[in-house]
Amino acid sequence: QVHLRESGPGLVKPSGTLSLTCVVSGASLTTSTWWSWVRQSPGKGLEWIGEIYHSGTTHYSPSLRSRVAISIDTSNNQFSLILNSVTAADTAMYYCARGGHYFDSSSGSEGSVFDTWGQGTKVSVSA
Amino acid sequence: DIQMTQSPSYLSASVGDRITITCRASQTVNRFLNWYQQTPGKAPKLLVYGASTLQSGVPSRFSGSGSGTDFTLTITSLQVEDFATYYCQQTHIAPKTFGQGTKVDVK
Repeated sequence: QVHLRESGPGLVKPSGTLSLTCVVSGASLTTSTWWSWVRQSPGKGLEWIGEIYHSGTTHYSPSLRSRVAISIDTSNNQFSLILNSVTAADTAMYYCARGGHYFDSSSGSEGSVFDTWGQGTKVSVSA
Repeated sequence: DIQMTQSPSYLSASVGDRITITCRASQTVNRFLNWYQQTPGKAPKLLVYGASTLQSGVPSRFSGSGSGTDFTLTITSLQVEDFATYYCQQTHIAPKTFGQGTKVDVK
């Protein structure tokens, strides 16, 4: 069974850097899978932050692209999130998720689905 | 970016009701549309992927349909454990955007 666990500081100062790690067990990060970060501000909906492939290819949300970086460490089976120049608006629950895939017969293409999530880690931005 | 819009944002219902949540994409996402359920304090849980395929272990009272830009999630005979917030997500093109959510609460 696949498990994801987020870790990192629960408090970051304004203008500082948020750094989180997601450790994966039960699956290898070297497989053909996208690994994502999603966040949820208090009382708000889900916001996709970005994703990384085992090759290191990344995609980011346009609204965060200038401040975010996702990296992968296949030797330790984990991937990480860096968010720079944080403000109070970055206060949120941060989740990591596995982008499982399936075959869509109607299009003949592979689809992506967030089938496994970490429990989330709460990050507050405050002085 | 593809914008995902859910309606309604809030829905009051009773146990045993049949409810339908709609998700509309700003451009076609083919059938690359997933539905998730989230209860307070928990991570989202996958319900439906590929617009209509039920994730393993999800009760058959849940169903999804649609393609292109218009999708629905239906729950027949609402149960107590179904009072939650539901999100659609497109995975056709990055960024893999979510809808704003639909909260289903007790009437």
